[in-house]
Amino acid sequence: DVKVTQSSRYLVKRTGEKVFLECVQDMDHENMFWYRQDPGLGLRLIYFSYDVKMKEKGDIPEGYSVSREKKERFSLILESASTNQTSMYLCASTTDTQLRVYTFGSGTRLTVV
Amino acid sequence: SQQGEEDPQALSIQEGENATMNCSYKTSINNLQWYRQNSGRGLVHLILIRSNEREKHSGRLRVTLDTSKKSSSLLITASRAADTASYFCATGPGGAQKLVFGQGTRLTINP
Repeated sequence: DVKVTQSSRYLVKRTGEKVFLECVQDMDHENMFWYRQDPGLGLRLIYFSYDVKMKEKGDIPEGYSVSREKKERFSLILESASTNQTSMYLCASTTDTQLRVYTFGSGTRLTVV
Repeated sequence: SQQGEEDPQALSIQEGENATMNCSYKTSINNLQWYRQNSGRGLVHLILIRSNEREKHSGRLRVTLDTSKKSSSLLITASRAADTASYFCATGPGGAQKLVFGQGTRLTINP
C-alpha cells in the first residue's frame, strides 16, 4: 500500500523556535507538496517540488522554507515559528503519470505558543 | 487562489438519505477530483473525472461534470454514519502538477 508518512501527528513549539516538519513517501513520486489547512481558508499551497533539490513557491511561502535532498523526503522548515503559523500541515505526493491524483499524509497539527 | 468552491459549506442529513455536494471552478481543466477528509486526518482521493466525461460512478458515489458551466457535483447515495467527513473538490489549472482545493463541504450523517 502506497504511503506518505509525516513524522509527527501533534507538535507544540515555542515562538521563535526553528521547526522541521518531515514528510517521507515510499512511492518513488517525483512531485511533493506542502499545504496548510485553516478553518474557513481551506488548503493553501506553501511550497512544492518537482524533483530532488528543486523547489517552487506556492501561494503562501512567507515564513517557510523547504528542503528536498532525497527523492523520498520533503521537509518543511519554519525558520522562526510564530503564533500565526499554528495550523494543520499536510504533505502530499504524486507522480507525473497519475493525472495529479495526490496521496496525502495524515497531517501534523502544529501549535506555536 | 481559489479554483474550486464547494456548496454548501455544511450539510446535515439522516442516515439512508442521499447527499449532494457541488463544486464550481474558474479555468479550463484536464480533470476534476473529489477528496474526503475525516476529522483531523489527511485527505483521501475518492474519484477523478476527466474533462471529456460527463458522469462517473464508483460504488455509492456518482460524480457529474459540466464543463460549459464549470461545475461538478458529488452524490453519495444511501448515506451511512461513516460518511461523516469533509469533502473537497480539486482541479489543476495549467500544465503543472499542483492542485487547487476548495474550502470543502462538511457532511454530517445523523443516525
